[in-house]
Amino acid sequence: GAVVSQHPSWVICKSGTSVKIECRSLDFQATTMFWYRQFPKQSLMLMATSNEGSKATYEQGVEKDKFLINHASLTLSTLTVTSAHPEDSSFYICSVQGMGDQPQHFGDGTRLSIL
Amino acid sequence: ILNVEQSPQSLHVQEGDSTNFTCSFPSSNFYALHWYRWETAKSPEALFVMTLNGDEKKKGRISATLNTKEGYSYLYIKGSQPEDSATYLCALNFGNEKLTFGTGTRLTIIP
Repeated sequence: GAVVSQHPSWVICKSGTSVKIECRSLDFQATTMFWYRQFPKQSLMLMATSNEGSKATYEQGVEKDKFLINHASLTLSTLTVTSAHPEDSSFYICSVQGMGDQPQHFGDGTRLSIL
Repeated sequence: ILNVEQSPQSLHVQEGDSTNFTCSFPSSNFYALHWYRWETAKSPEALFVMTLNGDEKKKGRISATLNTKEGYSYLYIKGSQPEDSATYLCALNFGNEKLTFGTGTRLTIIP
């Protein structure tokens, strides 16, 4: 299966800072990647679908101007949390879509804490 | 809203015992069910992808069954070992390649 690298693993920063998270597919050309968010004691919630060479598709309730997604190559998608505030503190994780009935392959996730 | 329910939320099992837990989902609009194992500080690891009613899959001591008509899947672990301690996630693909996750079952194996 695909090997996915996510960076950084954790971030602590001040309110108002923008934070970029990278998701790399190391051995698989990924036309589609997914970004999820998980709040404590809740399930992984899909935020957006990242499409190589085109605009991301955002789930209902996710602000596209707040969470900027760029998927400029087949191996890299980035999620930028713009002007982050304490309520954006969460666990963010990306995945690469498998072919057909194959499972998704996940990065290790990023723990974001906004002070 | 398409809900995926997992039970129990957490489970403590003595090493060597067998265990099982459940994933429930609305039976309509089903396309595929995924099981993942998620160990602390690691990425979720795919266990199974199941699509057919009555499907049964096995990987070592772990197996899973699927009943799409009644909307549930069971995950079984035989002879639990400490390395089985993890959160087990169930996720449904309702036909659009997106996954809807349950909250998971946190399994702790007691040596």
